[in-house]
Amino acid sequence: DAKTTQPTSMDCAEGRAANLPCNHSTISGNEYVYWYRQIHSQGPQYIIHGLKNNETNEMASLIITEDRKSSTLILPHATLRDTAVYYCIVRVRGSQGNLIFGKGTKLSVKP
Amino acid sequence: EPEVTQTPSHQVTQMGQEVILRCVPISNHLYFYWYRQILGQKVEFLVSFYNNEISEKSEIFDDQFSVERPDGSNFTLKIRSTKLEDSAMYFCASTQDPQGTEAFFGQGTRLTVV
Repeated sequence: DAKTTQPTSMDCAEGRAANLPCNHSTISGNEYVYWYRQIHSQGPQYIIHGLKNNETNEMASLIITEDRKSSTLILPHATLRDTAVYYCIVRVRGSQGNLIFGKGTKLSVKP
Repeated sequence: EPEVTQTPSHQVTQMGQEVILRCVPISNHLYFYWYRQILGQKVEFLVSFYNNEISEKSEIFDDQFSVERPDGSNFTLKIRSTKLEDSAMYFCASTQDPQGTEAFFGQGTRLTVV
């Protein structure tokens, strides 16, 4: 069963920030939050991960609430190429790397 | 940027036939995975492989499936006797470490069983 809850779909205007929420209220202390995306049936692509601190890389920022029960992936300036399904996944770092994908959020970036 | 490559991109096979899907993981990666995605459904884990043996497998990965790393660069998934319900996208992935911090996925092989 999925450990995360994400909205089914979201729209975002091109050039604006896309904020994708994820609830993971049952997350345990040693579980990380990972984000992947899948562009139109291509292979999933790693975006970012974090434990409790906010993280930023060249693709996105990850904001994790203090109680770690939810997080938000932020794409600061969404482009049409960011249209994809975004998956929020929680897993224990150190476990074998198999990922459990949920249904994700279908993000549509519109001109 | 390093990438995982998969061949063929599309395979059509008759029910009951054997198929082999091929993957070339990133060269310094040690952990390899197969996933599948039936059209319109979630990406599902099939099997993980390390040090020439299966580390973990899902319920989907039954006796009809096998994996192999025949020559130190290729990583293959064999389906012995394909069924219609095996039609799906099959993704290979690799990671450098067991934590699987960043899994790199190939572009997939679309398998169509007719």
